[in-house]
Amino acid sequence: AQKITQTQPGMFVQEKEAVTLDCTYDTSDQSYGLFWYKQPSSGEMIFLIYQGSYDEQNATEGRYSLNFQKARKSANLVISASQLGDSAMYFCAMRPDPNFGNEKLTFGTGTRLTIIP
Amino acid sequence: DTEVTQTPKHLVMGMTNKKSLKCEQHMGHRAMYWYKQKAKKPPELMFVYSYEKLSINESVPSRFSPECPNSSLLNLHLHALQPEDSALYLCASSQDPGTANNSPLHFGNGTRLTVT
Repeated sequence: AQKITQTQPGMFVQEKEAVTLDCTYDTSDQSYGLFWYKQPSSGEMIFLIYQGSYDEQNATEGRYSLNFQKARKSANLVISASQLGDSAMYFCAMRPDPNFGNEKLTFGTGTRLTIIP
Repeated sequence: DTEVTQTPKHLVMGMTNKKSLKCEQHMGHRAMYWYKQKAKKPPELMFVYSYEKLSINESVPSRFSPECPNSSLLNLHLHALQPEDSALYLCASSQDPGTANNSPLHFGNGTRLTVT
């Protein structure tokens, strides 16, 4: 069974500062993927970034980067130069390698990020 | 704009009604999903269709009935729902399972369902 833990229910960050959202996970799978999604108040789940368990380099997508520490089973999201539009709920999620027949994506409890002007 | 389209955006139904939620994608994805999300909670998986066949049913009550008429469409038929079924229902799709390296799920905007 997989478990995703996000220990920060809410965070307040000053505009233009960098922010780190924590995510730890637990799995017995050797091959898996880690994802971060953003959910504004409108409800849509927006895919931000992906890290494969065998990827040696940390993933980056624009202002988003993923601090992946496999031995510690952590996959923290870093947002640089935060903007007011970054205010939203952020979910960390994990899925085993679908090549082994499991397509289930499991979400953590989320962190509500509020950017202060 | 999302590439996964869900209709309707809002739905209010009584406990004796029959209604359907619809989801459509034209990205050529062969896996489609239904998730249920209660307020201030993470999405919870309900069903997964892989190549138009039901591959995962997370012990969902039979008052929810999924249907995948073709590779672009996914429906969720609702009948005799309870007030506690009120939630945001999210549809998602992803690339061919088994061929793509853990491709991300692309979500629609969801249907906000209220059962009265």
